[in-house]
Amino acid sequence: DAGITQSPRHKVTETGTPVTLRCHQTENHRYMYWYRQDPGHGLRLIHYSYGVKDTDKGEVSDGYSVSRSKTEDFLLTLESATSSQTSVYFCAIRGLSSYEQYFGPGTRLTVT
Amino acid sequence: AQSVTQLGSHVSVSEGALVLLRCNYSSSVPPYLFWYVQYPNQGLQLLLKYTSAATLVKGINGFEAEFKKSETSFHLTKPSAHMSDAAEYFCAVSESGQAGTALIFGKGTTLSVSS
Repeated sequence: DAGITQSPRHKVTETGTPVTLRCHQTENHRYMYWYRQDPGHGLRLIHYSYGVKDTDKGEVSDGYSVSRSKTEDFLLTLESATSSQTSVYFCAIRGLSSYEQYFGPGTRLTVT
Repeated sequence: AQSVTQLGSHVSVSEGALVLLRCNYSSSVPPYLFWYVQYPNQGLQLLLKYTSAATLVKGINGFEAEFKKSETSFHLTKPSAHMSDAAEYFCAVSESGQAGTALIFGKGTTLSVSS
């Protein structure tokens, strides 16, 4: 158990509304990641963080922003949700060796 | 650019049969390779990892994978399937030595096990 929680676990929102997803870890890991999972696409990286206030874009970052003001929290924000952002979102942390990652339970987001 | 290809989006086996899930990767440098399993409505769980030590890697739940550089492959096997192995499996690659580099995932293979 890597001590990763995500909130909310499920959310339904309307097109055009802002949405923030939270990832919380309890083990002081430096690297944190946000992925989205869509059928037929596997997992794709949205953004990642390599320290407090240090973040970078991933493969599918358009329409998303992130913030990390504390080591334990990594926030993903959809500034104006669109139906194409309906997905399951996973947060991950990087292990201390060999670059393996450990995943949270996921947030299922539906944009209507 | 790195990439991962999983051959076969669905694999069906009978209980007790050999499980073989195929993964090929492309990488310009020696990679780290991973297999993850995802049960319905859950997150991904690490099955095993290759980190340039032994080429035959043993993981949890009786799974193992062999790194073959000449074939750029990292296929996942289990000698005898169990009903509880039914899940989606993902192969992933991370470029060694790149701190903070995210994993590149294949599109996944759904394993069905019939009795």
